Amino acid sequence: GAGVSQSPSNKVTEKGKDVELRCDPISGHTALYWYRQSLGQGLEFLIYFQGNSAPDKSGLPSDRFSAERTGGSVSTLTIQRTQQEDSAVYLCASRNYNEQFFGPGTRLTVL
Amino acid sequence: AQSVTQLDSQVPVFEEAPVELRCNYSSSVSVYLFWYVQYPNQGLQLLLKYLSGSTLVESINGFEAEFNKSQTSFHLRKPSVHISDTAEYFCAVSDNEKLTFGTGTRLTIIP
Repeated sequence: GAGVSQSPSNKVTEKGKDVELRCDPISGHTALYWYRQSLGQGLEFLIYFQGNSAPDKSGLPSDRFSAERTGGSVSTLTIQRTQQEDSAVYLCASRNYNEQFFGPGTRLTVL
Repeated sequence: AQSVTQLDSQVPVFEEAPVELRCNYSSSVSVYLFWYVQYPNQGLQLLLKYLSGSTLVESINGFEAEFNKSQTSFHLRKPSVHISDTAEYFCAVSDNEKLTFGTGTRLTIIP
């Protein structure tokens, strides 16, 4: 398919463990975004990549969160020492001109 | 900074009745406006967008929204709803970087 893909679709982890979430954007899209959707906070922006650079990291909630993008394509969002409040659906989007296309998300549950 | 307000968290509507989902935004710069829809257990899909030009924009499934700069609004309307329109609707504003979302409106269609 030609859409944004994310893996895993579901992740259950124990509090204190590290997790990695992956995003494969639509080929050719240079801009990539991570958002988080949770019951208490709605849809929140986390970080934005233009190419491999992240000009806007303002939405990352703490220093336990980090993200990288390599080759202007795949991006990985890493959460270290997960906490129960990290439980949410993590959405990735890539942008073509003025429209963002969203992936199906990764549902993270921290026990 | 930009923000979006969706005053109605839930809207119940009888089938074939009209509906309006309200959205107001604030921004210090020119923006692009979007409505996204999330059907039960599915990802975010773009419903319609305003970038420039005609202030009335339409979707392929009968929804329309009108950009009103003086009232800073982008309300979503449909003259006759169907059961299949049951979903959560998110209004969003973008300065061509990140999207800022409203808290969403859950549209429930009553048979």
